Amino acid sequence: DQQVKQNSPSLSVQEGRISILNCDYTNSMFDYFLWYKKYPAEGPTFLISISSIKDKNEDGRFTVFLNKSAKHLSLHIVPSQPGDSAVYFCAAMYFGNEKLTFGTGTRLTIIP
Amino acid sequence: EPEVTQTPSHQVTQMGQEVILRCVPISNHLYFYWYRQILGQKVEFLVSFYNNEISEKSEIFDDQFSVERPDGSNFTLKIRSTKLEDSAMYFCASSRDKTNYGYTFGSGTRLTVV
Repeated sequence: DQQVKQNSPSLSVQEGRISILNCDYTNSMFDYFLWYKKYPAEGPTFLISISSIKDKNEDGRFTVFLNKSAKHLSLHIVPSQPGDSAVYFCAAMYFGNEKLTFGTGTRLTIIP
Repeated sequence: EPEVTQTPSHQVTQMGQEVILRCVPISNHLYFYWYRQILGQKVEFLVSFYNNEISEKSEIFDDQFSVERPDGSNFTLKIRSTKLEDSAMYFCASSRDKTNYGYTFGSGTRLTVV
């Protein structure tokens, strides 16, 4: 079941630069998308979300872009900070269905 | 900031034994969930619980699994007869309502079946 895919298992970015994490999905029923951040030995922490009626949502340094025709979303972090080093999970769900479907995660490392 | 608390943080159990994982959701939340992550794999949905009953469950959540809210604060996941393949991180989560999609997750319980 690969309904949500994160094709880059890892990403390294210089501190202060932009981090771009990508996510693709196959299920066209998904209408809500979320990004979670996870540190070792902790649970996922909600970062930002976007509804399928939008193509962009911004919250401070974090912006999520949604391209429905391409079934693709991305998370931009600007500027990247050392504390952003973590595993980032993309997740999706659809109205009327309560479960989150997660991607496999991307390990982001910010290089000082 | 309110948090979801899970105990224990790590549990080792013999294959075939029953195990109960415990969670204390955020007090004003009404929807409760269990997810798990097998090492190196994605986080997978197990079950959702609302109004004292299961509202949705995955194919993973077979007859060996059960959930309960025994009192006003705890939410438990029971595995009746553990198998080696049940070894995983188990995450509890809660949310205030169905429209609050940003669940709050607990820190997880690492279950090791030997």
